Amino acid sequence: EAGVAQSPRYKIIEKRQSVAFWCNPISGHATLYWYQQILGQGPKLLIQFQNNGVVDDSQLPKDRFSAERLKGVDSTLKIQPAKLEDSAVYLCASSTDRGYEQYFGPGTRLTVT
Amino acid sequence: AQSVTQLDSQVPVFEEAPVELRCNYSSSVSVYLFWYVQYPNQGLQLLLKYLSGSTLVESINGFEAEFNKSQTSFHLRKPSVHISDTAEYFCAVSDSVSAGGTSYGKLTFGQGTILTVHP
Repeated sequence: EAGVAQSPRYKIIEKRQSVAFWCNPISGHATLYWYQQILGQGPKLLIQFQNNGVVDDSQLPKDRFSAERLKGVDSTLKIQPAKLEDSAVYLCASSTDRGYEQYFGPGTRLTVT
Repeated sequence: AQSVTQLDSQVPVFEEAPVELRCNYSSSVSVYLFWYVQYPNQGLQLLLKYLSGSTLVESINGFEAEFNKSQTSFHLRKPSVHISDTAEYFCAVSDSVSAGGTSYGKLTFGQGTILTVHP
């Protein structure tokens, strides 16, 4: 069974630029998550989708971050404009319906200069 | 709200020695508990989980963790570590988010413990 796929693996941008990350969850997994992991910290949930609907986006900085999950499969996370403090690894995870066991992708390491 | 405290940020140990990585959580409801491992430049991999039943859970590579409800702990142990166990370990507790009348899991992670195994 293929795991969670993410791209790109690495991205370097200047502040105020925009960036987008892509995630393809495990086939059949209805729930998809985006996490932000800052160096030296545990992952922090940004947004959670159930199929193509948002379950929880309470920690998503909505003035600059947006996410969508078209047709309940792939998802894209966008930052516009980026700030220095957005430098982090962005992890995508997926799970079956209830979400009590999550499977993570390799992550995208973002550096904002 | 859930919270997770990993009591050691770094744990150095020699190969073949035993190790314990400590994790305490706070929760007002029934919990599901997890340990994830993260190797350099990789995503998180599920190491083991407690959902219900036996309070002692084991992984396929020799790690075990015990759910202790009275002490709100879920410490990870291994009797003899290998060089390949060098990684960062995250303890996590699952909360619930309700939407449309259905509950969904929401993980809260600890800060992580870097385990370094020396030859």
